Amino acid sequence: KQEVTQIPAALSVPEGENLVLNCSFTDSAIYNLQWFRQDPGKGLTSLLLIQSSQREQTSGRLNASLDKSSGRSTLYIAASQPGDSATYLCAVSPGNQFYFGTGTSLTVIP
Amino acid sequence: DAGVTQSPTHLIKTRGQQVTLRCSPKSGHDTVSWYQQALGQGPQFIFQYYEEEERQRGNFPDRFSGHQFPNYSSELNVNALLLGDSALYLCASNTLGTDTQYFGPGTRLTVL
Repeated sequence: KQEVTQIPAALSVPEGENLVLNCSFTDSAIYNLQWFRQDPGKGLTSLLLIQSSQREQTSGRLNASLDKSSGRSTLYIAASQPGDSATYLCAVSPGNQFYFGTGTSLTVIP
Repeated sequence: DAGVTQSPTHLIKTRGQQVTLRCSPKSGHDTVSWYQQALGQGPQFIFQYYEEEERQRGNFPDRFSGHQFPNYSSELNVNALLLGDSALYLCASNTLGTDTQYFGPGTRLTVL
């Protein structure tokens, strides 16, 4: 069974700092990996989707990388802002469903 | 273009009762998936519907059942509610064969 782990569970940084969130998964037979953002009590917003054949994706200040062979992905956030405060979830898909990690709760301090 | 919508937003039930949650997929999507997210946890896959059939199911008991209608909207039914069923229930939609699932805002179920 696919297991997804996210480290750290919580992170607090001053505004403007660059940061990295980590995700690891146990089964490398994935179709794609997706990073989501979740605000308290809300649904999920897709940030970046990386296909299994890709190594990275970028959107604005966000960059996600994927190393399928080692079962790792990172989400890099540049020049963090207070509006980035949220929980970030990593999810891997073998095709039909997503397996989620427990998330990293990020607080950006003004 | 409306995204994925879910109703109701919040729901309070007591143990043993039954509940029905509803989801309307994003326009153009034909596949609906349901997830349960307990507090502090990541979402867990319940099942997926396509063409009114359950296509795949996660590790949830038979108390959890669903339905998809011809207009692609979906319902999640939970019977004999337990305290542990308290969670945020998320619906996601996509077009079969495409990669990105779009999530709704969720229904917060509290079982007392």
